Amino acid sequence: ETGVTQTPRHLVMGMTNKKSLKCEQHLGHNAMYWYKQSAKKPLELMFVYNFKEQTENNSVPSRFSPECPNSSHLFLHLHTLQPEDSALYLCASSQLRDGSTDTQYFGPGTRLTVL
Amino acid sequence: QKEVEQDPGPLSVPEGAIVSLNCTYSNSAFQYFMWYRQYSRKGPELLMYTYSSGNKEDGRFTAQVDKSSKYISLFIRDSQPSDSATYLCAIGGYSSASKIIFGSGTRLSIRP
Repeated sequence: ETGVTQTPRHLVMGMTNKKSLKCEQHLGHNAMYWYKQSAKKPLELMFVYNFKEQTENNSVPSRFSPECPNSSHLFLHLHTLQPEDSALYLCASSQLRDGSTDTQYFGPGTRLTVL
Repeated sequence: QKEVEQDPGPLSVPEGAIVSLNCTYSNSAFQYFMWYRQYSRKGPELLMYTYSSGNKEDGRFTAQVDKSSKYISLFIRDSQPSDSATYLCAIGGYSSASKIIFGSGTRLSIRP
């Protein structure tokens, strides 16, 4: 198991439900990320937080709402999702420093199914 | 043109074979090249990390970067059934603020 944990590991929800995904990193990193992974498609970067500040939002629909209360915790709040949102949602963290790209460490993911 | 292209496979080889996994990329500004391994129902784990051109070896794994051709490779020697996984290439820019671009992954199966 990595230093990045995610809960729940599996989630089934209806289109009208509200749920939240949780990520916690134990690596002392300063950046955290949400990715969506669908079958046979590249990882899609959704959000980036650097020192708790959101620095990237890749045109993600507003039914996905991130929250980063501190540099160790990251949430993804879900509301009125669509069946096409069913995917594996991965959290990652990294230590950003000048002159070095961010090697990202991933959690195990939350397998989300929207009915 | 996609920024990173990777053959999705699946690729099936017998145990002990040498495996070659490849990606091409389009932006010559990329400087950092990574390979991740993802087992079923797990998140990706960093396998190899290379800066600029050249080779890097770690046990049975060798990562190779050819910047002139914009081509990166991962070689696995003496492949084992435990190497069966999806392998994702990833490339990054030259500053800490750069995003990492991932390939779609190649599914590899090693037959005992």
